[in-house]
Amino acid sequence: KAGVTQTPRYLIKTRGQQVTLSCSPISGHRSVSWYQQTPGQGLQFLFEYFSETQRNKGNFPGRFSGRQFSNSRSEMNVSTLELGDSALYLCASSLYYSRSGANVLTFGAGSRLTVL
Amino acid sequence: AQTVTQSQPEMSVQEAETVTLSCTYDTSESDYYLFWYKQPPSRQMILVIRQEAYKQQNATENRFSVNFQKAAKSFSLKISDSQLGDAAMYFCAYRSAYSGNTPLVFGKGTRLSVIA
Repeated sequence: KAGVTQTPRYLIKTRGQQVTLSCSPISGHRSVSWYQQTPGQGLQFLFEYFSETQRNKGNFPGRFSGRQFSNSRSEMNVSTLELGDSALYLCASSLYYSRSGANVLTFGAGSRLTVL
Repeated sequence: AQTVTQSQPEMSVQEAETVTLSCTYDTSESDYYLFWYKQPPSRQMILVIRQEAYKQQNATENRFSVNFQKAAKSFSLKISDSQLGDAAMYFCAYRSAYSGNTPLVFGKGTRLSVIA
């Protein structure tokens, strides 16, 4: 069974550009969550999608957006990049959207974004 | 809001020895789940162990076990017979058990080194 696949693994952008990151969940998983990991702030929740609908959103500016497609694949977009957006962006998938603790998240290897 | 604190930024252990990583959390909720995730240099977060707050028995997974003290809001991870492959960042995480996929709240992590 393939795991959570994130593309690209590495990318470099300049300030003001935008970026789109992709996440393919484990087959059969319908919920996709995104987290940002930085040395200073640690792991912070961005948003979660289930059945193509955003169900939860973290405390990030509107420059951060996402979507989920009918096949459960998800993308996140960051517009007008800032230096502080340099981070590892982790995607996680889970089977469903209820019984939080029983619903274990499986993470991908992340997309490392560097903003110059 | 819930918070998770890992007071040991770095730890080291001799191969085959036992090490305990500390984690405390703050919450006013009574039903929740606690997790330990491992992040090796490959960056992929791997679930090590999970504990449900209503279960008094401490969770165990092979060489990994937890000491869950609900009243003290403490959730430490013990790694027995440490192996070189255990070297990684370890994150403690909290998740509310209420309906819907509430986000994981992570601690800042503990970097574990294993000395041969």
